[in-house]
This record gives sequence, C-alpha cells and structure tokens, in this order.
Amino acid sequence: RKEVEQDPGPFNVPEGATVAFNCTYSNSASQSFFWYRQDCRKEPKLLMSVYSSGNEDGRFTAQLNRASQYISLLIRDSKLSDSATYLCVVNRGDSSYKLIFGSGTRLLVRP
Amino acid sequence: NAGVTQTPKFQVLKTGQSMTLQCAQDMNHNSMYWYRQDPGMGLRLIYYSASEGTTDKGEVPNGYNVSRLNKREFSLRLESAAPSQTSVYFCASSEAVGPSYNEQFFGPGTRLTVL
Repeated sequence: RKEVEQDPGPFNVPEGATVAFNCTYSNSASQSFFWYRQDCRKEPKLLMSVYSSGNEDGRFTAQLNRASQYISLLIRDSKLSDSATYLCVVNRGDSSYKLIFGSGTRLLVRP
Repeated sequence: NAGVTQTPKFQVLKTGQSMTLQCAQDMNHNSMYWYRQDPGMGLRLIYYSASEGTTDKGEVPNGYNVSRLNKREFSLRLESAAPSQTSVYFCASSEAVGPSYNEQFFGPGTRLTVL
C-alpha cells in the first residue's frame, strides 16, 4: 500500500463548479499535512497547510480526518486557472519529519 | 529574492557519463532536499541535508551522491548515469526540519535524459 494515495483523475469540470479531492495516508503518526499545486512542467508550490480543525483560504477548503486518515480539498467556483495537478503531502511521522508526496490528482477546468 | 535556483534546466547524458546538478537558495534556510519525479509517481526523496554539514539518505539514494557545500548550496552527483535515472530532479529547501517548519520551496527542476 502506498503511504499517500490519491485518485489520479483527471477531474474535468466546467468553470464555476465545485470539486473535491480526497487523499488517504497510511501512517497514523503523521502530524503535518499539506496540499501543493503543480502546474504542467513546473515545480510544486504550497497551496495550503491542513490543520486539525480544517481551514479555508478563499475558494479553497481543506479538511483533515485523523480517525479515517484522510485529507480533503474542496475548490468552489472553479476558475480556468485552477487547472493543475494537486499533490497531497504528509510528513512521515517519525523524527525525520520527511515529507511523503502523493502522485497527484489532475484537475481540468473547461470554459 | 530568486528563491531556489537549479542548473542546468535540461541535460542529456549517455549511459556511464557523470554529471553534477547544482542547487542554491537565498532564503537562509537550514534544510535542503533533492527529489526525483517520474510519471505516475509522487516526488521521491533522494537525499536531504537537515543542516549545513549533514546529509542523509532518502528513499532512493542508490546511484547518487550529494554535497552540502555551504548553507546556500546543495549539489547532486550522478557518478555513472543509467537510463533508470531519466527523470525530473527538483531541489527544495525549508527553514528547518520539524513539524512547524515543513513548508518546502522548490526550484524549477532539471529534466535529465540518459540514453
């Protein structure tokens, strides 16, 4: 089983739609959770950290469910510019705090 | 600030050749990392340096060596390139290693092809 699993997609949605991605992680000791965004042939960039209580940043909402070991990302009012691959990232849960990257969920927003 | 820079952007090698990928950051970060990204797979950690003067193996260190030249620079060396090392290589840095310092900033990547 992969340490971090994501549906690869692609999710193909019209502008203005709401779309949600889930991600599961295997190590219950993980403490840090993130969503990164990666545009085609570019480097990953931090979209948002995910906190236990859930957090929102504009049109983006991230949730953490420790009991079920999954993280979600909700995007409201999708824009064409949201088209990208979204990477779920979790720390290993040991003292190294190394990050484990999921292989990503691809989002395509169409006009 | 340039953030994290990497050279070269593209490279083609023949099997058995060697090369060094260069990485530098100007954010005064303590920790630096080298990842590779292959189609359908997440970024995989090759080596990291928690602080100047230290380096440690990641998930896929075989065939690679690293040098933390100073606080700013972290290089990755392929001693004898193999086709399996064809990949996109990203360097990253973070303020430190720890639960509160995990945000990593990435360089633009090096696209390496080994024939």
